[in-house]
Formats: sequence, structure tokens, C-alpha cells
Amino acid sequence: DVKVTQSSRYLVKRTGEKVFLECVQDMDHENMFWYRQDPGLGLRLIYFSYDVKMKEKGDIPEGYSVSREKKERFSLILESASTNQTSMYLCASSLSLAGGPLGDTQYFGPGTRLTVL
Amino acid sequence: AQKVTQAQTEISVVEKEDVTLDCVYETRDTTYYLFWYKQPPSGELVFLIRRNSFDEQNEISGRYSWNFQKSTSSFNFTITASQVVDSAVYFCALSEEFAGGTSYGKLTFGQGTILTVHP
Repeated sequence: DVKVTQSSRYLVKRTGEKVFLECVQDMDHENMFWYRQDPGLGLRLIYFSYDVKMKEKGDIPEGYSVSREKKERFSLILESASTNQTSMYLCASSLSLAGGPLGDTQYFGPGTRLTVL
Repeated sequence: AQKVTQAQTEISVVEKEDVTLDCVYETRDTTYYLFWYKQPPSGELVFLIRRNSFDEQNEISGRYSWNFQKSTSSFNFTITASQVVDSAVYFCALSEEFAGGTSYGKLTFGQGTILTVHP
């Protein structure tokens, strides 16, 4: 089974703090993704990575950065947290586009509910 | 631009009722993939099904069935004889065409439908 883990289920930070959200997958997947989920808006893509040290902006990258130093780990960084970044953050990974019929299927972690005060 | 619409924000049913969750999508791609995910109260999105744009055959998996109609750009999900454990948020999603392998399977999600099944 694919396992995607996220470092924290719940996190409370103060405005202006630097926040790190960590995601680890154990299935040697090439692609990793960070989403935020807000009521009524569904999931919106923040950043994704298709290889180590490679990253691409998603639909809402402002205020965020990412790091992928190892294949299994993808970090989301809030350089200076703000109250409008209070949200549920979900990490996902997928094998690769060449991975057969389900190579592009994304598997999700349990999510981190971040509150910025 | 791609778009996925789940018009039903919330649905409430009584156990054993059948329920259909609607999903309508927009895309200019000729090749695309549609997904359904379930998000139980624990928060983790669980993959349910993937369907490619060339396969309009309906699919049934136990109490779950999916109706894909390209003519109406819809990919609806039906739960037969619903159970309390089906209570969750359900998301429909659409992936971009793999044009030259540059899309990396990015997903566009609908807003989600909250399904509550009462005993």
C-alpha cells in the first residue's frame, strides 16, 4: 500500500512565524503535490514537484515555497505565516506518467490542519 | 481552463437509500482522466476510481457505480443502499492532458459534496 505521511495533524502558529510542513512517501513516487483545502473551494494546488530539486508553481503559490532535496520528501514552507493561510494542507504523490494505467493517480496523506493566530 | 463543478454542496439521506453525486466538467483536451475521491472525517482523501476519456463504459464496484457521459461532460457517482460509513466529503477531479509529459497529472478538483447518511 502507498503510504504518504505528514509531520503533524494539527499545528498552531503565530503571524509572522516561518512554518515548515513535511511530507514523506514510501513508494518511490516521482511526483509530489501540495494542496490546501478550504470549505466551498475544494482542493487548490499550491506547488508540485516532478523530480528531486525540481518544482513547479500551482494555482496559488503566493506566500509559499517548497523544497525537495530527496525523492521521498517534499516540504512546504510558509516564509511568514499570515492568518489567511489558516487551512487544511494536503500532500499527495503519484508514481509517474509512465507508470502504467494508474501512474498518474495521486495518493494523499492525512492532512495538516494549520491555524495561524 | 479546466473546471469541475459539483453542484450539490450537501446531501442528506437515510440509510439504505440510493444517492447520486453529480459531477460536471469542462476541458478542451481530447485526452483526460476523471477521478473520484472520498474524504472521511479522518481527513485523508481515499482514491475510489479513475476513468479515461476514451472509456465511456459504466463501472460498478460493490455498492458503488459510476456513469460517465462524454456527451454531457458528466461523471456521476451512485451509492446504492447507502450506509452510515459512507458519510464523507466526496470530490470529483479532472487531470490535464499529458501533453509531452509536462502536465505531471495535475488535478483540478470540484468543490466537494458533503454526504451525510443517517441511521
